[in-house]
Amino acid sequence: AQSVTQLDSQVPVFEEAPVELRCNYSSSVSVYLFWYVQYPNQGLQLLLKYLSGSTLVKGINGFEAEFNKSQTSFHLRKPSVHISDTAEYFCAVSRNSGGSNYKLTFGKGTLLTVNP
Amino acid sequence: GAVVSQHPSWVICKSGTSVKIECRSLDFQATTMFWYRQFPKQSLMLMATSNEGSKATYEQGVEKDKFLINHASLTLSTLTVTSAHPEDSSFYICSAPLTGPPEGYGYTFGSGTRLTVV
Repeated sequence: AQSVTQLDSQVPVFEEAPVELRCNYSSSVSVYLFWYVQYPNQGLQLLLKYLSGSTLVKGINGFEAEFNKSQTSFHLRKPSVHISDTAEYFCAVSRNSGGSNYKLTFGKGTLLTVNP
Repeated sequence: GAVVSQHPSWVICKSGTSVKIECRSLDFQATTMFWYRQFPKQSLMLMATSNEGSKATYEQGVEKDKFLINHASLTLSTLTVTSAHPEDSSFYICSAPLTGPPEGYGYTFGSGTRLTVV
């Protein structure tokens, strides 16, 4: 089984400041890793994902994340945030199934609040 | 890209009635659909996994008779909350796995349904 820990439930930052949202995972098998953003009363939008290859993954809206296998981490970063980045962010993991479709396991989420 | 259309976006129903939530895959075939439940300010919890043409697999603690899932075609999966009670009020989200181009491996999510039982 897999588990995901998002270390911060809330992260307040000022506009144009850098931000890092932390995510650690636990799994006995290889995994795929995802970051999603959720705006109020909406579904989830994919920011980025790590499947294989380069450990630095770039996503939409200027976000990036780095997969660190030794530390079992997949932290999300953005060098300069905007007010519009205020949302809930979820880290998620699925089993590296080699083609089959396994369920996603989500972290508890981090509420990023960008203040002017 | 691959889109899952979820309806209704929100619904208010009286206690004791049933509510059906639909998720349609618009431009791809969804052989599998995951159904999640999300309480306010909490994470998504998997309720069940449906597969086209077979019975759904429910997670531990989820009442099969209360949350009826039907996946009768490759483009439609439904969740029916039967005899709804206020404690069933929640945000329900469906999700379909993706394996082919152009998205590659991943998941697409419906926009969610806000259910309020009064």
